[in-house]
Order: sequence, then C-alpha cells, then structure tokens
Amino acid sequence: DTGVSQDPRHKITKRGQNVTFRCDPISEHNRLYWYRQTLGQGPEFLTYFQNEAQLEKSRLLSDRFSAERPKGSFSTLEIQRTEQGDSAMYLCASSLRREGTGEQFFGPGTRLTVL
Amino acid sequence: RKEVEQDPGPFNVPEGATVAFNCTYSNSASQSFFWYRQDCRKEPKLLMSVYSSGNEDGRFTAQLNRASQYISLLIRDSKLSDSATYLCVVLENAGNMLTFGGGTRLMVKP
Repeated sequence: DTGVSQDPRHKITKRGQNVTFRCDPISEHNRLYWYRQTLGQGPEFLTYFQNEAQLEKSRLLSDRFSAERPKGSFSTLEIQRTEQGDSAMYLCASSLRREGTGEQFFGPGTRLTVL
Repeated sequence: RKEVEQDPGPFNVPEGATVAFNCTYSNSASQSFFWYRQDCRKEPKLLMSVYSSGNEDGRFTAQLNRASQYISLLIRDSKLSDSATYLCVVLENAGNMLTFGGGTRLMVKP
C-alpha cells in the first residue's frame, strides 16, 4: 500500500500519560499535515511541515502538543500529560507543494481514548 | 462564528433524488475551495474543486459565489453509495492550510 500510513490505529491511555503517534506520508510528498477530528466535526488543522521544516505550529492546541519530522520523511505527534479532552481521531495527510491545490491525502488516523 | 459553516443534516433522500448542500465561509481572502467526502470511520478524500465558473463531474456540480462567500454542491440521481459526510473545505494561509466545515451527512435510502 503506497498511501499514507499511521501507527498505532488505536491508543487507549490514562490521563497524565504521554503518547506519540507516527505518520508515514506518500513517499514523494514533501508536505505533511496533522489534524484532529472529534465526533461530528470536520478535521481541525494542527500543524504542517514542508520537508523537515515545521512552517506552521500556531494552531497546535497547547504546549503539550509537539510534532517533528526530523529527516523530512515520517513525522511524529506527541501529546504530553494527556487529558480526557484530548480524546479524538488524529489524522495525518500529505501532499506535493502545488499552488492552489487542495488535494491532501489522508491516512486512516489514530484514535486516541484518554481514560 | 465558525470559519466554514455547514448544515450538519442528516439529509435523508430516496435513491434517484437530487440533493443540494450549502456552505458559507467567513474569510473573504480565501483562495480556493473544495468538497471532500468522508465515509463512516474512514479518512476524508477529495471529491472535487470548486470554481467561480462552476464545475461538473458526472452527477456532481459545485458552485462558488465569492460575493456572498457561499459554496454549493449538487448531487443528481443519488445512489446508495453516495451516503457519506460531505465536507466543505477552504484553502487559506497562503495555500498552506485547509479549513474544514463540520460536514453535512447524507443518507440515501432505497
């Protein structure tokens, strides 16, 4: 499968624990995005990378959230000291940098449940 | 006020019906507009782009009214397989960020 992959697909954790999610984009895509989606809502933009540079991170929900893409390939999203309100689907997407295009290819997501 | 607003539905329609969804956006500087489709428990996928001149792809027609900041999607001859959530999407921040509406749920019944 050459699409976007995410791991794990499901994560159950206790409040206060740290969690890390991984995203592997489509191999030739230089842009990688993270979104959060809660039930009944559309995806909410969190951050994005162009190659290894994180070009937008002001939409990260709090300083407990951080993301990296150290070699411009896969990315990780970490949530520290998880709270029940962090329970959601975390989606990763990738794209090629093209002006005006809105096509991003999404992975299947990681569903986080914080108990 | 949300940046992209949609009626959440659900829209329950019989097979063969024509159904229309609307969406409004708040940022007049928004550059590009799209409809994405999301099946239950699946990831969103691009359905079509939306142009001021209107565009059609088979049974689907999208329209943009920049003056009213309004986007529409028309589905003709609905199929059972059209049942999904349709997300109105705006490209912002110099083309770097997609802003999604909350989605409109469509259920097509036999």
